[in-house]
Amino acid sequence: QKEVEQDPGPLSVPEGAIVSLNCTYSNSAFQYFMWYRQYSRKGPELLMYTYSSGNKEDGRFTAQVDKSSKYISLFIRDSQPSDSATYLCAMTDSSYKLIFGSGTRLLVRP
Amino acid sequence: DTAVSQTPKYLVTQMGNDKSIKCEQNLGHDTMYWYKQDSKKFLKIMFSYNNKELIINETVPNRFSPKSPDKAHLNLHINSLELGDSAVYFCASSLSGPAGELFFGEGSRLTVL
Repeated sequence: QKEVEQDPGPLSVPEGAIVSLNCTYSNSAFQYFMWYRQYSRKGPELLMYTYSSGNKEDGRFTAQVDKSSKYISLFIRDSQPSDSATYLCAMTDSSYKLIFGSGTRLLVRP
Repeated sequence: DTAVSQTPKYLVTQMGNDKSIKCEQNLGHDTMYWYKQDSKKFLKIMFSYNNKELIINETVPNRFSPKSPDKAHLNLHINSLELGDSAVYFCASSLSGPAGELFFGEGSRLTVL
């Protein structure tokens, strides 16, 4: 079993839809949780960063962490075609070793 | 003015050859990494250096040898290339301290024939 599980998709939604992306994990020591966005043929870039449990909002993006269920989510409101990318969850304890999910490919149709 | 730059972007080579990938960052970060991304987009850490000291060395064949001549550079040399080494290799950097934001390069796509 992988430490971090993520549905690979692809997830195809119409423009304007609310998108929900999720990851589950097994290591209860994880306390830093991130979402990276990766466009085709590019490197990943940080989208959201959360410490411990709770919600964090940034514009159209909301990250949620539920440590009791070992489950994290990323919500995208009013999705745009420019949001089409692969979204990678990532997490770590207090070390330099960031563990990534396998990524969910999102396609937002105009 | 690229923050993390890797060269070359593309490598096509035969099995058994040796190849190197170079990485440079101009962000003033203390920590640099090599990640490997396979065809299913799974991104896995290989090595990390902090102030030129090796701090992470995952279970990677010893055909892979990283070298950090200074804080701004991290190179990856691969000996005796195998078909399974085909992947995209990403260099990344972060500020000193764990759990920091990673800044990635654009990747070096290696194809072994």
